[in-house]
Amino acid sequence: GNSVTQMEGPVTLSEEAFLTINCTYTATGYPSLFWYVQYPGEGLQLLLKATKADDKGSNKGFEATYRKETTSFHLEKGSVQVSDSAVYFCALSESWNKLSFGAGTTVTVRA
Amino acid sequence: NAGVTQTPKFQVLKTGQSMTLQCAQDMNHEYMSWYRQDPGMGLRLIHYSVGAGITDQGEVPNGYNVSRSTTEDFPLRLLSAAPSQTSVYFCASRGGGDSTYEQYFGPGTRLTVT
Repeated sequence: GNSVTQMEGPVTLSEEAFLTINCTYTATGYPSLFWYVQYPGEGLQLLLKATKADDKGSNKGFEATYRKETTSFHLEKGSVQVSDSAVYFCALSESWNKLSFGAGTTVTVRA
Repeated sequence: NAGVTQTPKFQVLKTGQSMTLQCAQDMNHEYMSWYRQDPGMGLRLIHYSVGAGITDQGEVPNGYNVSRSTTEDFPLRLLSAAPSQTSVYFCASRGGGDSTYEQYFGPGTRLTVT
């Protein structure tokens, strides 16, 4: 079946540091890939997405590239801010009725 | 648009009690789902619906019931609460015409069963 593995946290960074969160997936077909973000006390929000190989999703300074050859969708941001402190979830979907989520990575950015 | 709304935000139940978590969306989305979020496990699908009158089980359906009498509403019922159902519950929806399968999430209900 489909599954998502993302790097375990928690991750603690200083402001303006570079952030990478690794995500790899297992899927039988050609899934769409997503990064969702959950700020403290809130629900999940879509951060970015990519629907086919070599697509790059980007939003709010975050980027992730759909790499079919390495089955990866790593999230990166060049210079994080305190407001980026959140839990980040990698997810994939091959069908309309199910998203498969990674376990989530908690990121804390210190001023 | 309010998007996806959920009530209540917080709830404490005693073992054996029943309750209904409410979910509503105003985007005319066909597909709605319930997930539970537990530490270190991501989100897991409980039940889903492809339209009014049609529901099906997800990954972890035991102990939960759903119904979909209207396009807008998709309540989740706990029949006899157990401590293992302590979790954060999220409702999500998506439109039928979106081929990228993007889902929109509500703010969540934090449930504690003692």
